[in-house]
Amino acid sequence: DAGVIQSPRHEVTEMGQEVTLRCKPISGHNSLFWYRQTMMRGLELLIYFNNNVPIDDSGMPEDRFSAKMPNASFSTLKIQPSEPRDSAVYFCASSLGTGGAEQYFGPGTRLTVT
Amino acid sequence: QQQVKQSPQSLIVQKGGISIINCAYENTAFDYFPWYQQFPGKGPALLIAIRPDVSEKKEGRFTISFNKSAKQFSLHIMDSQPGDSATYFCAASPGGYNKLIFGAGTRLAVHP
Repeated sequence: DAGVIQSPRHEVTEMGQEVTLRCKPISGHNSLFWYRQTMMRGLELLIYFNNNVPIDDSGMPEDRFSAKMPNASFSTLKIQPSEPRDSAVYFCASSLGTGGAEQYFGPGTRLTVT
Repeated sequence: QQQVKQSPQSLIVQKGGISIINCAYENTAFDYFPWYQQFPGKGPALLIAIRPDVSEKKEGRFTISFNKSAKQFSLHIMDSQPGDSATYFCAASPGGYNKLIFGAGTRLAVHP
């Protein structure tokens, strides 16, 4: 299995631009998670989906952030408009089952907003 | 509100020594406690995990000790090796959910 696939791996954009991060979970996994990692705030859960349905989006920082999962094999995290404070590494993870299943993380997307 | 507190922030250990990282939690609904290991430029990966019905779990050189009454758990790395140098995160999950609450992380450096 190829593992969780994220694209792009690096993104540099200017403040005010729209940014779309993409994730392909491991085939057969039914839960998908989006995390943000920064030195100041550590690893934060932004949103997670179960069977393509958003279950908990309490970590989404504000309305500029949105996430979708149109099918079991694809998810996007969109930031519009982007701001310099959004600069971080964004991870996607997937898992199978509930109640403490192992989460498999992708390699991350390093976002820099100038 | 930080629900999982991790210490220390950083740790330096000599090769062959024991590395100990501690975590404390507040929410008694947590029922799954994993540790993740992250190397630079990579995503975190599950190292070892425990549930509160046992007080200790060992996998090779890695051991989790769990104290339910104190709401604390710790990771012990025996015979630490330079290849163990990474950032370690403890985490906790509320019952019935896949959601993980991560600690702030500990950067471990094992010197040869």
